[in-house]
Amino acid sequence: ETGVTQSPTHLIKTRGQQVTLRCSSQSGHNTVSWYQQALGQGPQFIFQYYREEENGRGNFPPRFSGLQFPNYSSELNVNALELDDSALYLCASSFGRDYEQYFGPGTRLTVT
Amino acid sequence: RKEVEQDPGPFNVPEGATVAFNCTYSNSASQSFFWYRQDCRKEPKLLMSVYSSGNEDGRFTAQLNRASQYISLLIRDSKLSDSATYLCVVNGGSQGNLIFGKGTKLSVKP
Repeated sequence: ETGVTQSPTHLIKTRGQQVTLRCSSQSGHNTVSWYQQALGQGPQFIFQYYREEENGRGNFPPRFSGLQFPNYSSELNVNALELDDSALYLCASSFGRDYEQYFGPGTRLTVT
Repeated sequence: RKEVEQDPGPFNVPEGATVAFNCTYSNSASQSFFWYRQDCRKEPKLLMSVYSSGNEDGRFTAQLNRASQYISLLIRDSKLSDSATYLCVVNGGSQGNLIFGKGTKLSVKP
């Protein structure tokens, strides 16, 4: 196991609602990246946090936002949920921005 | 051209077979390359990093050709437990993000 944990495991929300997903990074890692994986696709980069600051962002709208805390754990917030937001949300931690990334088990979000 | 392209497969092979996966990437500035494996409805797991000189880990061999922007993974003596989707992954440059291919599905049959 990687030591990266995510909560909750599964979540069902209604269109228009807001959701917060959580990630605890592996001990010693200071960087957390978030990805969205739709069925049959590879993970798509949402954003990355390095030492509590956003380090980069993929092609996702502003209603996707995040935080990293002093202990390097992280949150992903999604406002105004849409049906297309249904996916597996993965977080990955690493020693730094350019190092190997290790994934948590993911949160499966269903928007109805 | 897609950023990372892989043959989606599926590759159906018998136990003991040798199978090769190929991948091309578009960003010549990419510096880090990886292969991840993903089991059904699970998270991607790092299989190996890929170095310019090529590297081997047991039955798995990865090669990188920077001039052709091409990455390969060779699996020898396939096991039933190798059945999974194999994801070719390239770093995105300055942002430190990873760019994933769609994956190649491998099924190893008895």
